[in-house]
Amino acid sequence: ETGVTQTPRHLVMGMTNKKSLKCEQHLGHNAMYWYKQSAKKPLELMFVYNFKEQTENNSVPSRFSPECPNSSHLFLHLHTLQPEDSALYLCASSQDIANEKLFFGSGTQLSVL
Amino acid sequence: GENVEQHPSTLSVQEGDSAVIKCTYSDSASNYFPWYKQELGKGPQLIIDIRSNVGEKKDQRIAVTLNKTAKHFSLHITETQPEDSAVYFCAAYAGGTSYGKLTFGQGTILTVHP
Repeated sequence: ETGVTQTPRHLVMGMTNKKSLKCEQHLGHNAMYWYKQSAKKPLELMFVYNFKEQTENNSVPSRFSPECPNSSHLFLHLHTLQPEDSALYLCASSQDIANEKLFFGSGTQLSVL
Repeated sequence: GENVEQHPSTLSVQEGDSAVIKCTYSDSASNYFPWYKQELGKGPQLIIDIRSNVGEKKDQRIAVTLNKTAKHFSLHITETQPEDSAVYFCAAYAGGTSYGKLTFGQGTILTVHP
């Protein structure tokens, strides 16, 4: 266990659905991240939060909407996704954004039909 | 921005052999280089890291070397075991205006045959 828990582990959704991914960390960290992992591509940073404030939006389409209500929880709200959005979505945390050691959850495998 | 290239994309070795994975980076400001191991159904886990003021670091069967001049770093696994089979990612971190941004390589699928 890495101390970072993601739910659900698998998600299948249609292009008109609205769903949310949840991440919770039990490490006392202050920075949380969303990464997208697609086949044969490097991990892509999507969003960064530091002390609940968003510090990075890596040109992510608006159909992905993050939310960080506190330092322990991170959500990714999904709506009107495209099939090319199918991927493994990984949440990570670190002590803060100046600390480079990331702890990853196991991810949510998303399939958009 | 930073660009990290990783080779090879797949690596197959016999148990007991050594495995080497190489990465190059483009941003000379990068000062931290971690390696992550991702097993099937799990997220990446940090296995070893090195900072730019160190040329080599070792932890039991794994070691990492860094050549700042050439901007490349490598992961070395000795006496490989079947449980070493996984996807390995290198990454680079520059800090400064890149706070919170690790740039990852494309990954290497390592298979260790018994």
